[in-house]
Amino acid sequence: DIQMTQSPSSLSAFVGDRVTITCRASQSISSYLNWYQQKPGKAPKLVISAVATLHSGVTSRFSGSGSGTDFTLTISNLQPEDFATFYCQQSYSAPLTFGGGTKVEIK
Amino acid sequence: QVQLVESGGGLVKTGGSLRLSCTASGFTFSDYYMNWIRQAPGKGLEWISYIDHESRTIYYVDSVKGRFTISRDNAKNSLYLQMNSLRADDTAVYYCARGHVFSDYWGQGDLVTVSS
Repeated sequence: DIQMTQSPSSLSAFVGDRVTITCRASQSISSYLNWYQQKPGKAPKLVISAVATLHSGVTSRFSGSGSGTDFTLTISNLQPEDFATFYCQQSYSAPLTFGGGTKVEIK
Repeated sequence: QVQLVESGGGLVKTGGSLRLSCTASGFTFSDYYMNWIRQAPGKGLEWISYIDHESRTIYYVDSVKGRFTISRDNAKNSLYLQMNSLRADDTAVYYCARGHVFSDYWGQGDLVTVSS
């Protein structure tokens, strides 16, 4: 099974900051890497698919990059509505696996 | 608009069974792979199973193999998860989600609580 490791597990930032979340796969997953945002008590929402494709309706303050085993999610100009937990997921091979999550909190 | 609505969750005793349903609307259900994904209280997301359009390709995470069965009825726009031999560590919110390369729509989730 492919293991997905996210870092950091949590971070605190100010409104207006630029933050970066890292996701590492235990083997190459090509470009089969997605990012989801989850707010408390709500279902996750797709933010980015295939490393860097912004999902419909998602603000361009989110961006993704990487290939192979190392990937990043960057949020520019952090806004109050961005505070949430973010998960990476590989869809290269079953079982599809998620990273442990990164909680982005207000400083 | 795309909607996925889970139902069938609740409280069940250890060793018991439960069948979750996910009713889809707003898209051609038979065109999409479908997933079940769960989240234990205060924990992260765990993908547990997916099924292809025609129920020919099915995968499970090891922790539920032999106990859970995913199925679908395209005529009823419905996805199912039969859960047997339930354990305390199956306690979670269960989500259905559309698409296996990426999951672009999710249901609101249904809580399953397994207790002795």
